[in-house]
Amino acid sequence: EVVLTQSPDFQSVTPKEKVTITCRASQSIGSSLHWYQQKPDQSPKVLIRHASQSFSGVPSRFSGSGSGTDFTLTINSLEAEDAATYYCHQSSSLPPTFGQGTKVEIK
Amino acid sequence: EVQLVESGGGLVQPGGSLRLSCAASGFTFSNYAMSWVRQAPGKGLEWVSAITSGGSIYYADSVKGRFTISRDNSRSTLFLQMNSLRAEDTAVYYCASDSSGYYYWGQGTLVTVSS
Repeated sequence: EVVLTQSPDFQSVTPKEKVTITCRASQSIGSSLHWYQQKPDQSPKVLIRHASQSFSGVPSRFSGSGSGTDFTLTINSLEAEDAATYYCHQSSSLPPTFGQGTKVEIK
Repeated sequence: EVQLVESGGGLVQPGGSLRLSCAASGFTFSNYAMSWVRQAPGKGLEWVSAITSGGSIYYADSVKGRFTISRDNSRSTLFLQMNSLRAEDTAVYYCASDSSGYYYWGQGTLVTVSS
């Protein structure tokens, strides 16, 4: 099974700051890596698909990069509404797996 | 607009059974793989099971032999039959449609296994 390790686990950030979350896979997964945002008491919502493809309706401050084993989610100019937990997810091989999550708190 | 609405969750005793349903709309259900993903209270996301458009079925080791996934394309509905439930199965269960690898998610249904 592909293990996804996110860092950091938690980040406290000031509005308008830039946030970078990384996701490292235990083996190469190409670009089969997706990012989700989950706010409290809500279901996850897709932000970035296939490592770097933006998703309709998602603000342009969210971007993704990477391939193989190392991936990054970047939030440019953080807004208060971005307080959430962020998960990476790989669909390269079964079973599908998720990172442990990164909680972003607004200072 | 893709809509996934889960139902069937609730409180059940250890060893008991529950059947979850997921009603889909806004897309051609029969063309898509579907999955169940769960989230224990305060924890991360754990994939449970998947069924492809062609009917191939996959399970996480933690539920193999106890859970059964199925689909009714005529009703655009996904099911999860859960037997021999354990305390560690307590979680919100999400239905997800697999769109070329990434997921659209339902709102989830809570399953609590407790005596």
